[in-house]
Amino acid sequence: AQSVTQPDIHITVSEGASLELRCNYSYGATPYLFWYVQSPGQGLQLLLKYFSGDTLVQGIKGFEAEFKRSQSSFNLRKPSVHWSDAAEYFCAVGSPSGSARQLTFGSGTQLTVLP
Amino acid sequence: DAGVTQSPTHLIKTRGQQVTLRCSPKSGHDTVSWYQQALGQGPQFIFQYYEEEERQRGNFPDRFSGHQFPNYSSELNVNALLLGDSALYLCASSSGWGYTFGSGTRLTVV
Repeated sequence: AQSVTQPDIHITVSEGASLELRCNYSYGATPYLFWYVQSPGQGLQLLLKYFSGDTLVQGIKGFEAEFKRSQSSFNLRKPSVHWSDAAEYFCAVGSPSGSARQLTFGSGTQLTVLP
Repeated sequence: DAGVTQSPTHLIKTRGQQVTLRCSPKSGHDTVSWYQQALGQGPQFIFQYYEEEERQRGNFPDRFSGHQFPNYSSELNVNALLLGDSALYLCASSSGWGYTFGSGTRLTVV
């Protein structure tokens, strides 16, 4: 069974500082990988996804993520955080095989941005 | 173009009651998935509907059931509500791996 671990429950950074959110997955092969963001009381918005190819993926809002097969990781990064980035971030995996496109999510990382 | 619409946005039910949540998918999407998000947790997959049939199911009891209509809209039904069913229920429509999530229905069981 596939699983996702987000080791950091809560991260606090100052506005303008760089950010890295960690994600590790467990899966028999290379899964499809996703990062979503959720603001309070809202649904999930896709930031970026990785299916294959270039292991550095660019997303919306200035976010990027790097897939590292050897570490089973897909960490999310942003060079300079804005106050509006405060939200909860979820890493998710999906299985490339089979017909059902089910997502398995991590437990999330809550990001606080200090002025 | 409207995204995914869920109704109601909030509701309160009593233990033992039954509830129906509704979802209208994004235009062009033929698949609907339901997720349960407990407070402080990530979303957990309940089931997925495609062509009016349940294609995949997560680790949820039979008290959770669903339906997809010919226009691709969907309902999630939960019977014999438990306090532990209190959560945000997210509907996501998709075509392939292009998921769009709704804002969810906040269910409180008292």
